Amino acid sequence: GESVGLHLPTLSVQEGDNSIINCAYSNSASDYFIWYKQESGKGPQFIIDIRSNMDKRQGQRVTVLLNKTVKHLSLQIAATQPGDSAVYFCAEKENNDMRFGAGTRLTVKP
Amino acid sequence: DTEVTQTPKHLVMGMTNKKSLKCEQHMGHRAMYWYKQKAKKPPELMFVYSYEKLSINESVPSRFSPECPNSSLLNLHLHALQPEDSALYLCASSRAPGGRSNTGELFFGEGSRLTVL
Repeated sequence: GESVGLHLPTLSVQEGDNSIINCAYSNSASDYFIWYKQESGKGPQFIIDIRSNMDKRQGQRVTVLLNKTVKHLSLQIAATQPGDSAVYFCAEKENNDMRFGAGTRLTVKP
Repeated sequence: DTEVTQTPKHLVMGMTNKKSLKCEQHMGHRAMYWYKQKAKKPPELMFVYSYEKLSINESVPSRFSPECPNSSLLNLHLHALQPEDSALYLCASSRAPGGRSNTGELFFGEGSRLTVL
């Protein structure tokens, strides 16, 4: 389930299930939207990006969907694995100005 | 392995100390960034350098002073910090500074964890 409050929003899924992480963005002029994964004690790691003129992009086990009408971005992870457990941040980038959105902690139960 | 190297990994300093955080990349990137990250929060943009010139300063207090000596190095000089400045400081770089970027990707270092006593 998902919870929002004083703590980081969390999403808990069973290993092998698909995960969907959502994000709202604010800058209509952003030319890229990006998803980053951050594991404990590490810097953010790039997962996938999408240009503002696209609405869907697929990578290996991941798909990013962009809905500019409602300024919404989502990350879908197929067949979620324990190694996917981390905090996921969306980000929006206009030229060199990249801002992160709120993160979601993904926990994968074996 | 990250190709952006940050030193030191950990730093403890008093409020009267002067210290520096260092960042290095050899990917030929011409945009470099400093972010500050508090626990359970997203990274917050502090500074952006484009072709070794400061292009974005997010109203960061003057006790943080960035420096970009050349295209591979980025420093963050720290002086008279406050305990609330304790955080993880992340350096990043990207390929295309200025104009319309052709990628969304920033490459991040592992960060320097700063504690101000």
